[in-house]
Amino acid sequence: SQTIHQWPATLVQPVGSPLSLECTVEGTSNPNLYWYRQAAGRGLQLLFYSVGIGQISSEVPQNLSASRPQDRQFILSSKKLLLSDSGFYLCAWEEWNSPLHFGNGTRLTVT
Amino acid sequence: AQSVSQHNHHVILSEAASLELGCNYSYGGTVNLFWYVQYPGQHLQLLLKYFSGDPLVKGIKGFEAEFIKSKFSFNLRKPSVQWSDTAEYFCAVIPYSSASKIIFGSGTRLSIRP
Repeated sequence: SQTIHQWPATLVQPVGSPLSLECTVEGTSNPNLYWYRQAAGRGLQLLFYSVGIGQISSEVPQNLSASRPQDRQFILSSKKLLLSDSGFYLCAWEEWNSPLHFGNGTRLTVT
Repeated sequence: AQSVSQHNHHVILSEAASLELGCNYSYGGTVNLFWYVQYPGQHLQLLLKYFSGDPLVKGIKGFEAEFIKSKFSFNLRKPSVQWSDTAEYFCAVIPYSSASKIIFGSGTRLSIRP
């Protein structure tokens, strides 16, 4: 069966520290992968999406980056976190013409 | 640019009241439509989806949505809400284009008074 793993579930990091959030998918091949952010009181914002290994598209300019080193692995990173990076980060995957499947999310608090 | 609009940011209802949450999208071509729900402390779950066929779609937990192509709308309805329906509701669209990535609305917070 298809599953998506996202970790860690919660993270508290100081301003200026690096970030690495990991997402892996099982039971599917060549999925589209997404990173979304849900800021407090706001809707979902698409950060990055990927249609294949090494193919990353960025939706919003920011100090975050994403990488897809393997077909079913999607990593969200930052070299130096800002206070405004606090929020709820969701990884998601889909196959063509199917609903999006979400991970359980990571709540990031930047202090 | 393609977008999804949910005009109600926060809806407050009493139990047993009827619910309708608005969703409009801006794309002239064929679309797939979704409603997702996020209960407090939980992750997003799919409520219902429309790909083709009958424009009135039945979902889980008594929810339904109607696709009205001429109005570019996909409103979510429930005849009688319960306290457990308190959650954030997201409308989403996948336009049939080369990009074909899902676009979410900003969400509607639904609060149900017991």
